[in-house]
Amino acid sequence: DAKTTQPPSMDCAEGRAANLPCNHSTISGNEYVYWYRQIHSQGPQYIIHGLKNNETNEMASLIITEDRKSSTLILPHATLRDTAVYYCIVRVGGGNQGGKLIFGQGTELSVKP
Amino acid sequence: GAVVSQHPSWVICKSGTSVKIECRSLDFQATTMFWYRQFPKQSLMLMATSNEGSKATYEQGVEKDKFLINHASLTLSTLTVTSAHPEDSSFYICSAISQRGEQFFGPGTRLTVL
Repeated sequence: DAKTTQPPSMDCAEGRAANLPCNHSTISGNEYVYWYRQIHSQGPQYIIHGLKNNETNEMASLIITEDRKSSTLILPHATLRDTAVYYCIVRVGGGNQGGKLIFGQGTELSVKP
Repeated sequence: GAVVSQHPSWVICKSGTSVKIECRSLDFQATTMFWYRQFPKQSLMLMATSNEGSKATYEQGVEKDKFLINHASLTLSTLTVTSAHPEDSSFYICSAISQRGEQFFGPGTRLTVL
């Protein structure tokens, strides 16, 4: 079973920041948090991952709370092409390179003009 | 970024036939690859973990004799759906882990069994 819970859907205005929350209260000390998104009928696209510290790349920022029980993915300036299902995933059983990704139901983000 | 490819992108077959799907990591070596299945309007379900040079590890409820996995090299894993039936129709997606720990997914293969 997935170790994360996310709201099933969210809306965001184009050009605004999209903040997608995720709860992972049973996360263990060596388990990473990963974010992916999936546009209809395509394979999931990697966005970002982290362990304890906040992370930022060209796509997004990942904010992980100090107790690691929740995180937030931030898309700083959402565009219509960011409309997708966003999955927050805890890599189970193996740190950064081992283990496996168990997908939950994700959040369907709709970016509106 | 790293690329994972799948072939074919879609396939239609008759009930009872076997179908092979290939998954390749194009610009990195992957000792571990994964196979997922996704039904319409559902999330991805992990089927098995494929390790280069060893037998695949299947998730509970996935029939290993029906879904044959071969990971013969560091850049290629194959999934063979044997004696396919209409209920096996689904979107099959593979993924591979790079040395940096990033897990990349292929574009998926749409299987339709008539």
